[in-house]
Amino acid sequence: GAGVSQTPSNKVTEKGKYVELRCDPISGHTALYWYRQSLGQGPEFLIYFQGTGAADDSGLPNDRFFAVRPEGSVSTLKIQRTERGDSAVYLCASSLLGAVSDTQYFGPGTRLTVL
Amino acid sequence: DAKTTQPTSMDCAEGRAANLPCNHSTISGNEYVYWYRQIHSQGPQYIIHGLKNNETNEMASLIITEDRKSSTLILPHATLRDTAVYYCIGYHQFYFGTGTSLTVIP
Repeated sequence: GAGVSQTPSNKVTEKGKYVELRCDPISGHTALYWYRQSLGQGPEFLIYFQGTGAADDSGLPNDRFFAVRPEGSVSTLKIQRTERGDSAVYLCASSLLGAVSDTQYFGPGTRLTVL
Repeated sequence: DAKTTQPTSMDCAEGRAANLPCNHSTISGNEYVYWYRQIHSQGPQYIIHGLKNNETNEMASLIITEDRKSSTLILPHATLRDTAVYYCIGYHQFYFGTGTSLTVIP
């Protein structure tokens, strides 16, 4: 079946602009996760959804970052007033239940470049 | 917080077993240890996970010490395609760290 997909694969924007990154999880997966990854670093946790609600948003760096999952499937990560330091690969993952023994399945990521 | 520590890099000869260690001394009693790997420019890929007992699947084996403070991922016959960054994580905190960069040498 289809895996996790993310669009766009690449996004170039200018400093100060607003961007939206989309994640389509595996069908039927109730848990969805966002990470970002800078060059040479491991994925950094941002937020975790269980269904429509954010179960843990402790990784969001500041109030410029916001994520939604209104119908419990597709999620959008929104970044306002982008800064050059926001440049990274943004990864999305989903898992069946979000339980402690659940495997996360990752998408290919969106590479965001802020000029 | 189940933060983990891993060596920054390792080399392994093709066809040999690759043994990748991980320390997770702060892991809680019900927290699984997960291993993922990431090949350049791709998203992380699940390898294996375990709680207390040793585990084996078609990709690898996972050996967890009795006190659960460390574990070792074993790739029994490393191939060039196993060159990747390997991450050991305690599931609850989603903390990946910087992982171990494994290079399989022909």
